[in-house]
Amino acid sequence: NAGVTQTPKFQVLKTGQSMTLQCAQDMNHEYMSWYRQDPGMGLRLIHYSVGAGITDQGEVPNGYNVSRSTTEDFPLRLLSAAPSQTSVYFCASSYSMPDTDTQYFGPGTRLTVL
Amino acid sequence: AQSVTQLGSHVSVSEGALVLLRCNYSSSVPPYLFWYVQYPNQGLQLLLKYTTGATLVKGINGFEAEFKKSETSFHLTKPSAHMSDAAEYFCAVSEYTGTASKLTFGTGTRLQVTL
Repeated sequence: NAGVTQTPKFQVLKTGQSMTLQCAQDMNHEYMSWYRQDPGMGLRLIHYSVGAGITDQGEVPNGYNVSRSTTEDFPLRLLSAAPSQTSVYFCASSYSMPDTDTQYFGPGTRLTVL
Repeated sequence: AQSVTQLGSHVSVSEGALVLLRCNYSSSVPPYLFWYVQYPNQGLQLLLKYTTGATLVKGINGFEAEFKKSETSFHLTKPSAHMSDAAEYFCAVSEYTGTASKLTFGTGTRLQVTL
């Protein structure tokens, strides 16, 4: 049982490049979410999904796309990277809604956009 | 919309001293409240949560928090700090949108434990 895994751990991009941050969980969790963590700002929700085929926007969705074709995977796509997207990105999952069920976090992806 | 405010971005205590991390919330409905801990270079881990019932909630590693509705507070305490408690702590409140619930996190408090 690997829990929540994220790849890559570190990534450097140039402005305008695109990339996908991978997130996978092997706990059969329905709810998955992406957060970004910036100094002095805590964690902010980017997108979330309540099950395969269902996604919705969080607090800071601009510049990011998501899809959920399987229960296990929830990739986050940056279409055209900008320096403002330099951050640490965390994926999290829970069996049910995060207010009633424990959210499990991945180890994070540290992204730098030059 | 719900929100949380964590007072003090950095707190330093001596080993064996009381730990008190402050969190105040704003919510238009009875809130569900959470404390998460983040150790260096790791993801967040749930310490404890309050949903309904007993207002004093016990969590892992000897931490506890008390929900005080009159003060809109959910402060985190531990009677005796240990070096291993050094980490960043986040308070969070849940919000139900009608189709799903989401967590809103505070800005975090970094706890330093000194000898």
